[in-house]
Amino acid sequence: EAQVTQNPRYLITVTGKKLTVTCSQNMNHEYMSWYRQDPGLGLRQIYYSMNVEVTDKGDVPEGYKVSRKEKRNFPLILESPSPNQTSLYFCASTDRDSTDTQYFGPGTRLTVL
Amino acid sequence: GQNIDQPTEMTATEGAIVQINCTYQTSGFNGLFWYQQHAGEAPTFLSYNVLDGLEEKGRFSSFLSRSKGYSYLLLKELQMKDSASYLCAVMSGYNKLIFGAGTRLAVHP
Repeated sequence: EAQVTQNPRYLITVTGKKLTVTCSQNMNHEYMSWYRQDPGLGLRQIYYSMNVEVTDKGDVPEGYKVSRKEKRNFPLILESPSPNQTSLYFCASTDRDSTDTQYFGPGTRLTVL
Repeated sequence: GQNIDQPTEMTATEGAIVQINCTYQTSGFNGLFWYQQHAGEAPTFLSYNVLDGLEEKGRFSSFLSRSKGYSYLLLKELQMKDSASYLCAVMSGYNKLIFGAGTRLAVHP
């Protein structure tokens, strides 16, 4: 089954404790993105990657890092989380062969205390 | 700046038709998407328009006017399961998808 997976689905942590949210897709897509979703603001792009070892900043990259060492994986790293990073996070991969449709993972709800 | 506007909330009756509007101002345009998102779940793809006109897909249709920076999503024969948020998004550049805040639709019996 074609899918995007994320782990963990839920996470409560404390300020300053480094964490990684994993994302994996099995559709062989080159393009992947990370978004955060906050009430009233919609989905905002954090980082995106056009291929292995190629990443770039989206609209709200501050406080986040990403890596793309393999095509299928695109982890999101918070080196020193802060309460304003409490949000719902979605990973997405893009099917460039089909109208650039983005397929979203199930989401990770992060709370930073 | 980049801006996508859509109503915050709408209500409709089961079996009826509802139109959700979206206006956009973006630095580039490579297509407009509509996504459906149920509470607590991931967005799922509904439709894509890159040329002016109407795209029909079952009970759902989407319209685009590039000159007016305007799109709408039309939902016919509403069902209770259509209660969800509907997200308008514009591909403004290379893999650059800008989302509106979403329209929360409540379908009542």
